Amino acid sequence: EAAVTQSPRNKVAVTGGKVTLSCNQTNNHNNMYWYRQDTGHGLRLIHYSYGAGSTEKGDIPDGYKASRPSQENFSLILELATPSQTSVYFCASGQYFGPGTRLTVL
Amino acid sequence: AQSVTQPDARVTVSEGASLQLRCKYSYSATPYLFWYVQYPRQGLQLLLKYYSGDPVVQGVNSFEAEFSKSNSSFHLQKASVHWSDSAVYFCALSISNNRIFFGDGTQLVVKP
Repeated sequence: EAAVTQSPRNKVAVTGGKVTLSCNQTNNHNNMYWYRQDTGHGLRLIHYSYGAGSTEKGDIPDGYKASRPSQENFSLILELATPSQTSVYFCASGQYFGPGTRLTVL
Repeated sequence: AQSVTQPDARVTVSEGASLQLRCKYSYSATPYLFWYVQYPRQGLQLLLKYYSGDPVVQGVNSFEAEFSKSNSSFHLQKASVHWSDSAVYFCALSISNNRIFFGDGTQLVVKP
């Protein structure tokens, strides 16, 4: 089965700071996704990618950037973190999900 | 546009009872369909998926789902639930195996 890993698993950041969430996949799938999950909102798509060098905006891209430097790696970048970005972030490769990153912005 | 509806936000059943979690989808053709389970403070785990063929799909842990084109449904079923099945279950669809659209999830509570 495909393996999707995320780092860090937990992160505390300060308002205005830069945060980078990393995702790595070993199943060689072209499509990768970043979601956030908040109580009352379910899973919401932030950015996705169809392959190395490509990034596409999802449903809630504001305040986030994405980077896909290789087939295996897909990063989510918060240039200026805000408390409203406190959430649990999930990366997915195809139909398989990573374990999540719990981000708290103080 | 495509969408997934899980009409029941919360379902409570007794241990050993049968279970059906409902899922309706909206899409003009047959999409790829999935069921995921999420245990507390964990990621989403794929339970089963339907692409084509036999409308009854077997998944992990004795779960199965039945696709109905006429009803635009993909209900999840289990003959006898265990307390450890308590979790949130998400139905999802994908078009041509691209981005996945999720329902809002159903919280399953299994009473001892």
